[in-house]
Amino acid sequence: GDSVTQMEGPVTLSEEACLTINCTYTATGYPSLFWYVQYPGEGLQLLLKATKADDKGSNKGFEATYRKETTSFHLEKGSVQVSDSAVYFCALSDQDNAGNMLTFGGGTRLMVKP
Amino acid sequence: DVKVTQSSRYLVKRTGEKVFLECVQDMDHENMFWYRQDPGLGLRLIYFSYDVKMKEKGDIPEGYSVSREKKERFSLILESASTNQTSMYLCASRVDIRNSPLHFGNGTRLTVT
Repeated sequence: GDSVTQMEGPVTLSEEACLTINCTYTATGYPSLFWYVQYPGEGLQLLLKATKADDKGSNKGFEATYRKETTSFHLEKGSVQVSDSAVYFCALSDQDNAGNMLTFGGGTRLMVKP
Repeated sequence: DVKVTQSSRYLVKRTGEKVFLECVQDMDHENMFWYRQDPGLGLRLIYFSYDVKMKEKGDIPEGYSVSREKKERFSLILESASTNQTSMYLCASRVDIRNSPLHFGNGTRLTVT
């Protein structure tokens, strides 16, 4: 079955540091890939997505490139802010999945210190 | 913007009680989902529905049931609450188009004592 593996957190960075959160996946079909963010006390929000190989999703300074050869979708940001502190979830949607469900990784907590 | 509203942010219930968690979306989405979120386990799908009166089991349906009598409303039911059902419950909806994102509510934190 499909699965998503993320690096375990927490990841603690100082403001303006570079961020990479690793995400790799296994899927039976041709998945679309997503990053969601969950701020404290809130539900998940879509951060960015990519629907085919070599696509790059970007939003709010975050980027991730769909790498089919390495089955990866790592999240990157060049300079993090305190307001980026949140939990980040990598997810995939496989067209072969009944109900068009998403499969989520375990989440990575990011803490940014001033 | 899509709005997914969960009726309660916090609930405290006793073991053995019947518990209803309500979710309403305002964008006429076909698909609706219930997840639970636990530390170290990420999000796990309990049930989903792709149409009115239709439901499908997710990864962890045991101890839960659902109801979808109207398109905009998807209810999660704990028939007899147990302490291991203490968790954060997240409702989500999605239009039935490939690659469309999930839209989440803010969650209901349920404590069963």
